[in-house]
Amino acid sequence: AIWVTQSPSSITASTGDRVTITCRASQYVVTQLAWYQQKPGKAPNLLIYAASTLQTGVPTRFSGSGSGTDFTLTISGLQSEDSAIYYCQQYYTYPFTFGQGTKLEIK
Amino acid sequence: EVQLVESGGGLVQPGGSLRLSCAGSGFTLGDHHMDWVRQAPGKGPEWIARIRNRANSDTTEYATSVEGRFTVSRDDSQNSLYLQMTSLKSEDTALYYCGRSTVGKILDYWGQGTLVTVSS
Repeated sequence: AIWVTQSPSSITASTGDRVTITCRASQYVVTQLAWYQQKPGKAPNLLIYAASTLQTGVPTRFSGSGSGTDFTLTISGLQSEDSAIYYCQQYYTYPFTFGQGTKLEIK
Repeated sequence: EVQLVESGGGLVQPGGSLRLSCAGSGFTLGDHHMDWVRQAPGKGPEWIARIRNRANSDTTEYATSVEGRFTVSRDDSQNSLYLQMTSLKSEDTALYYCGRSTVGKILDYWGQGTLVTVSS
């Protein structure tokens, strides 16, 4: 199976800040990587797919980049509602695998 | 509006069986790949199964952790997805979500989840 490692495991930032979360796959996944946001008691919500394509309805302050094994999720101009856990997932090879998550707290 | 609603979760003893359902509305299930994802309490999501769309002959894929014990299926007449779970273990305790995927895009819609607790 492909391992997916996220860093950092947690971030604390202020509204208006820019934050970056990284995701590294143990093998090449082309651009078959997605990013999700999960708030307490809710299902994960797709933010980015194909590494850099913004899902319909997701604010443009979210952006994704990368290919191969290294990927990033950037949130520019943090809002209080961005407080959540963020997960990446590779869907290039079965079994599809998620990263362990990055908890984002807003000061 | 696309909606997915899971049901069928509950308390089951180790070694027991359970069948989860996922009712879709606002779209045709058979046109999409459909996935099951579970999330143990306090843990991250774990992808566990997929059934591909009709165009791909409803073929299936499973995570190693459930292969041979879980079976994913679909009933197009009911626009519903199922997960038959057998030989359940305590480590199968989790919130189970169904999700819709499309070629090139994964899990763009999720249900609210149904809780499965495996305990004696």
